[in-house]
Amino acid sequence: DADVTQTPRNRITKTGKRIMLECSQTKGHDRMYWYRQDPGLGLRLIYYSFDVKDINKGEISDGYSVSRQAQAKFSLSLESAIPNQTALYFCATSDTDRITDTQYFGPGTRLTVL
Amino acid sequence: SQQGEEDPQALSIQEGENATMNCSYKTSINNLQWYRQNSGRGLVHLILIRSNEREKHSGRLRVTLDTSKKSSSLLITASRAADTASYFCATAPYSNYQLIWGAGTKLIIKP
Repeated sequence: DADVTQTPRNRITKTGKRIMLECSQTKGHDRMYWYRQDPGLGLRLIYYSFDVKDINKGEISDGYSVSRQAQAKFSLSLESAIPNQTALYFCATSDTDRITDTQYFGPGTRLTVL
Repeated sequence: SQQGEEDPQALSIQEGENATMNCSYKTSINNLQWYRQNSGRGLVHLILIRSNEREKHSGRLRVTLDTSKKSSSLLITASRAADTASYFCATAPYSNYQLIWGAGTKLIIKP
């Protein structure tokens, strides 16, 4: 079984709808991240969490919110989806080694906002 | 804002040839990492090089780091069709250790 899973894998929605993307991990890592990837661009950090009680905004948090329900679960919500949020979304985890911060990625969720 | 910039943006070579891609960055870093992404899938960590290291090997991969030029290169030797993917560098700045990603190099290996 995959160490980092994301649901759904694909989602098409309409402008104004609320959307939740879910991420679960079995790696036992404390740190979890949400990124978005747009064509031709690298990853951009939306939110990150170092433990259940720690939530931090990333580079592009506007229009997004997150919930860390447990060590293993980290959800990303789009409160009112808009077309420019169409992108590939990735969840990632890393362990508590602050120095290396090697990250492990889920398979991604392809979101289309019409 | 992206710290890393990969060069070239795209690279197409014959199977068996070596592939070299470069990454430049702007601020002081603790380490630099290379990741591979197969089409539309999650990224996979390949190799990490620390700021006090100059070269590192892992199988067919060779990474160099020149902190004076703020640049790194990834060499894949004896390329295979399965190496076709996008390759990203990510830097961990001393300020907060959050990885900052480049836009990637798309590598195509022709049979």
